[in-house]
Amino acid sequence: SQQGEEDPQALSIQEGENATMNCSYKTSINNLQWYRQNSGRGLVHLILIRSNEREKHSGRLRVTLDTSKKSSSLLITASRAADTASYFCATDGGGGNTPLVFGKGTRLSVIA
Amino acid sequence: DGGITQSPKYLFRKEGQNVTLSCEQNLNHDAMYWYRQDPGQGLRLIYYSQIVNDFQKGDIAEGYSVSREKKESFPLTVTSAQKNPTAFYLCASSIGPGVNYGYTFGSGTRLTVV
Repeated sequence: SQQGEEDPQALSIQEGENATMNCSYKTSINNLQWYRQNSGRGLVHLILIRSNEREKHSGRLRVTLDTSKKSSSLLITASRAADTASYFCATDGGGGNTPLVFGKGTRLSVIA
Repeated sequence: DGGITQSPKYLFRKEGQNVTLSCEQNLNHDAMYWYRQDPGQGLRLIYYSQIVNDFQKGDIAEGYSVSREKKESFPLTVTSAQKNPTAFYLCASSIGPGVNYGYTFGSGTRLTVV
């Protein structure tokens, strides 16, 4: 069951530019999470935003959540070559103890 | 350092063989998960365990089996009934069941059928 869908599938930008990735989901949620995956590695948790929050910051990351549109965005400011990775959103299905469901991800390439 | 260790990093399976992927965590997390990732795809849930001696099937459990005899360990067996096992397998854990916690992932096992 696919809950979150990221957009775009792939994104290529120059170092120093901002990168924006979007996630849309289908059912109501308790929270939404973003993860990063470097090629051939495990995922790393970036940020969790609860359904009653609209915006959250962590360093160069800014996440917004619009529950009325069932969408979220991840903004990486002043991107670096080291930000090159795949980024996934993950959501629950509104149930309390169900595991996270991941989207297919956005592949970000930051060119130096 | 606390974390999740998956082993081996690479695994080759012959047709008809069962193989077991190891996942060990020292984070004292109650919940553990197994996901499968195919090229260019998202993660699909195989099995999960919210507490020792208990586990539930995920979306693609057919051809897989698990056990949770210890809090620290959640091994995954890929049986011969799994017809297309070549994939990247990821183990994760979280403090408790539910979605209010971030997951910690291992570095993955890449399984190839030869």
